[in-house]
Amino acid sequence: DIQMTQSPSTLSASVGDRVTITCRASQSISSRLAWYQQKPGKAPNLLIYEASNLESGVPSRFSGSGSGAEFTLTISSLQPDDFATYYCQQYNSSPYTFGQGTKVEIK
Amino acid sequence: EVQLVESGGGLIQPGGSLRLSCAASGFIFNTYAMNWVRQAPGKGLEWVSYISSSGTTSYYADSVKGRFTISRDNAKNSLYLQMNSLRAEDTAVYYCAREYLAVVGIFPYWGQGTLVTVSS
Repeated sequence: DIQMTQSPSTLSASVGDRVTITCRASQSISSRLAWYQQKPGKAPNLLIYEASNLESGVPSRFSGSGSGAEFTLTISSLQPDDFATYYCQQYNSSPYTFGQGTKVEIK
Repeated sequence: EVQLVESGGGLIQPGGSLRLSCAASGFIFNTYAMNWVRQAPGKGLEWVSYISSSGTTSYYADSVKGRFTISRDNAKNSLYLQMNSLRAEDTAVYYCAREYLAVVGIFPYWGQGTLVTVSS
């Protein structure tokens, strides 16, 4: 199985900050990586797929990059609505696997 | 509007069985592959199972293989997860999730989830 490792596990930031989350795969997954945002008590929300494609309706302050085994999610200017937990997910091969999550907290 | 509504969760004793359902609406159900994804309390997301649009192909996480069975009834626009030999570690919110047609393995649509608690 492909292991997905996110860093950091927790991130404290202020409104307006630029935030970067890293996701590493245990082997190459090409660009078959997605990012999700999850708020407490809610289902995850797809933000980015194919490593850098913004899902329809997602604000342009979110962006993704990377290929192979290393990927990043960047929030260019953190907004109050962005405090949440973020997960990466590989879909290059079954079983699909998620990272352990990165919680973005208010500093 | 795409809607996915799970049901069937509850408290069950270890070793017991439970059947989850997911009612789909707002799209042509028999066109899309479907999945179950779970989340243990306070933990991350874990993919559980996949079923193709026709129902002829399915995959499972190793943690549930041999105990869980995914199925669908395209005439009823419904997805199911039969869970047998339940263990404490199966305690989680179970989400059904729909894939895209063109990009397999990503989940743009999720239900609200149903909680399964395995405890004596």
